[in-house]
Amino acid sequence: EVQLVESGGALVRPGGSLRLSCAASGFSFSSYSMSWVRQAPGKGLEWVSSTTGTSAYIFYADSVKGRFTISRDNAKNALYLQMNSLRAEDTAVYYCAKYNYNYDFDYWGQGTLVTVSS
Amino acid sequence: QSALTQPASVSGSPGQSITISCTGTSSDIGGHNFVSWYQQNPGMAPKLIIYEVTNRPSGVSNRFSASKSGNTASLIISELQAEDEADYYCSSKTASSTLVFGGGTKLTVL
Repeated sequence: EVQLVESGGALVRPGGSLRLSCAASGFSFSSYSMSWVRQAPGKGLEWVSSTTGTSAYIFYADSVKGRFTISRDNAKNALYLQMNSLRAEDTAVYYCAKYNYNYDFDYWGQGTLVTVSS
Repeated sequence: QSALTQPASVSGSPGQSITISCTGTSSDIGGHNFVSWYQQNPGMAPKLIIYEVTNRPSGVSNRFSASKSGNTASLIISELQAEDEADYYCSSKTASSTLVFGGGTKLTVL
């Protein structure tokens, strides 16, 4: 059974940093791209970042480019999102998702809440 | 990359069919067949219900179908049931190989 479990969400002040983690199990982690998708309170889904299985290709949404860094450790079956220079508009539930070659997300974690506020 | 355009809300009575549209551009929806649809219930993670424009993952009801014409994709839910009440999102590959979601549509079953 595929499982994705996010952690690391917290209340952080504007300008601060946070690192999210996603523990994956139940599939060959290194063979698949992975993504982070976020959802601000009461708002829609926003794709944040993706990385291929070997990290050869990494993509970011313009809204986070230069501030967020996606990474993965295939030996630990783990995905990460380092978030720097956080802003109020980064407040959201952050989901980790398995990203298929055909640009869809077939498995999602339960999400972790990041709140940026003073 | 601007979000794809979806109606904010749609509604229908049990047993009826409804259609949710998702409009993009030739750089996203119109440029390939990597369009997906997701169902999200309150407080839950999204669930994939359609991939590659028309395909249903195993376990998804055949009451869900989808199509694409030009720059617009459509999700059709037939024989509407109370359990279908949820938020629905489309997504598409973009010309820069990133991904864009629609703004979401709230489906109300009357």
